[in-house]
Amino acid sequence: RKEVEQDPGPFNVPEGATVAFNCTYSNSASQSFFWYRQDCRKEPKLLMSVYSSGNEDGRFTAQLNRASQYISLLIRDSKLSDSATYLCVVSYTTASGTYKYIFGTGTRLKVLA
Amino acid sequence: SAVISQKPSRDICQRGTSLTIQCQVDSQVTMMFWYRQQPGQSLTLIATANQGSEATYESGFVIDKFPISRPNLTFSTLTVSNMSPEDSSIYLCSVKRNEQFFGPGTRLTVL
Repeated sequence: RKEVEQDPGPFNVPEGATVAFNCTYSNSASQSFFWYRQDCRKEPKLLMSVYSSGNEDGRFTAQLNRASQYISLLIRDSKLSDSATYLCVVSYTTASGTYKYIFGTGTRLKVLA
Repeated sequence: SAVISQKPSRDICQRGTSLTIQCQVDSQVTMMFWYRQQPGQSLTLIATANQGSEATYESGFVIDKFPISRPNLTFSTLTVSNMSPEDSSIYLCSVKRNEQFFGPGTRLTVL
């Protein structure tokens, strides 16, 4: 089982739609959670961190459920420019004290005109 | 933020040869990370490059195949040695400040 699992998609949605991505993680000791965005042939860039209380940044809302080990990202009023791959990222500190980032395979979103 | 550059941006190489990828950061960082992203796959950490000590490799990656240098706090190199087509991938350099920043990547194709 992968440490971080995402539905690869693609999700094809019309402009203006609301779309939700889910992610599950296996390590219950995970400490920090993020959503990254990766455009085609580009490097990943941080979209937002995910906090236990849930957080919102404009049209984007992230939720964390530690009990279920589940993270979500909601995009409202989708724009064409939202088309990208969204990577779920989980981090934790190993027994040796190393800080590790674990990336999901990403969910592809295509917003259609 | 962090500004990271990588060279080359892409290369096509013959089987059995080696390629060295350079990573330059705009300011000093203690640790630099090297990732691989194979087609349709997630990012996988290859190793952590520490200045003044040997790199720390993840399971499945060895120094003979992926030697790393870290001569100072703003620069690192990753060499992909004795390449095979399975090494075709994007190789990304990364640093962590408040968040993890990535270089633009090196797209490697091995024929």
